[in-house]
Amino acid sequence: GNSVTQMEGPVTLSEEAFLTINCTYTATGYPSLFWYVQYPGEGLQLLLKATKADDKGSNKGFEATYRKETTSFHLEKGSVQVSDSAVYFCALSTGANSKLTFGKGITLSVRP
Amino acid sequence: KAGVTQTPRYLIKTRGQQVTLSCSPISGHRSVSWYQQTPGQGLQFLFEYFSETQRNKGNFPGRFSGRQFSNSRSEMNVSTLELGDSALYLCASTLTGGLSEQYFGPGTRLTVT
Repeated sequence: GNSVTQMEGPVTLSEEAFLTINCTYTATGYPSLFWYVQYPGEGLQLLLKATKADDKGSNKGFEATYRKETTSFHLEKGSVQVSDSAVYFCALSTGANSKLTFGKGITLSVRP
Repeated sequence: KAGVTQTPRYLIKTRGQQVTLSCSPISGHRSVSWYQQTPGQGLQFLFEYFSETQRNKGNFPGRFSGRQFSNSRSEMNVSTLELGDSALYLCASTLTGGLSEQYFGPGTRLTVT
């Protein structure tokens, strides 16, 4: 079956630090990959996505590249802000259905 | 355009009772999916409805059920509540399902005592 593994958290960074959040996956077929973000008290928001190998998704300074050879989709940002503090989820979807398989999520705290 | 709305936002129930949660998708969206979020299990897929038909189902017991109406609004029902059903229940809507972007509601926080 499908599965997503995220690095253990939580992660605490100082403002303007570099961020990397690791995500690896196991899937049947050719998955589409996503990063979702959840701010306190809110639902999930799509941050970025990639639908095929070597695609790079990007949004709000965040980037992730679909690496088929390493089955990874690591999230990076060059300079984090306090407003980036949230929970980040890596997810995948395969086939023609909407079902998302999520990783456990990681809490990011950015201090001023 | 209004986002996905879920009602109620918070709910407290007693073991053995049943509960119904509601989700109104974005106007024009025909697919609604439900997820359960708990600290231990994370986000788990419950089911997806498209055009009033259940199209996909996760690994949850039969106590969890859902339905979708002709206006695409969806409800999920949990019968004979257990303490372990305490969770944040999220619904997400997409235009047609598949790999279309999913838009999530704020969730319903269910506490079972």
